[in-house]
Amino acid sequence: GDSVTQMEGPVTLSEEAFLTINCTYTATGYPSLFWYVQYPGEGLQLLLKATKADDKGSNKGFEATYRKETTSFHLEKGSVQVSDSAVYFCALSDSNYQLIWGAGTKLIIKP
Amino acid sequence: DTEVTQTPKHLVMGMTNKKSLKCEQHMGHRAMYWYKQKAKKPPELMFVYSYEKLSINESVPSRFSPECPNSSLLNLHLHALQPEDSALYLCASSQDRGVEAVQPQHFGDGTRLSIL
Repeated sequence: GDSVTQMEGPVTLSEEAFLTINCTYTATGYPSLFWYVQYPGEGLQLLLKATKADDKGSNKGFEATYRKETTSFHLEKGSVQVSDSAVYFCALSDSNYQLIWGAGTKLIIKP
Repeated sequence: DTEVTQTPKHLVMGMTNKKSLKCEQHMGHRAMYWYKQKAKKPPELMFVYSYEKLSINESVPSRFSPECPNSSLLNLHLHALQPEDSALYLCASSQDRGVEAVQPQHFGDGTRLSIL
């Protein structure tokens, strides 16, 4: 079945560092791909999405490109802030209203 | 601010109590979802309503009973819960699937449920 694999955390960075959180997927069809973020004590917020190969999703300085050839959707940000500390989930969805989730990556940004 | 509103934010109940969680959205979405999330884990899908009809039940125990009174509201009725049911319960909504792509789900902030 479909699956999503994320790099294990926690990922600890200093403020203004470059961020990459790896996400790879396996899917039989052509899923849509998403990154969600969960701040402490809150629900999940859609961070960005991509619906087809080579699409680039972007929001709040974060970017991810749908790479069909490497089945990847890595999350990047050029300069992280303390306020970016959260848990980041990569997810895919095919056609059944169901999201397939990665395990989540906790990001800690130190001042 | 989230466009999916969940109440209450916190709920503590005994194993013999009956309570309800409520969820409301005014984005015109026709699919609504209940998820359960344990600490440090991704959400687990419980139920999906599409056009106010239950379309997916992920083998959830009958002590959880969903209800969709109209296209904007979703309830989760709780009865005789167990301590292992303590978790964050998230509601989400989405547009029905578009012609070309799956539409993203939008989540509320959740109800943190503790079973004594």
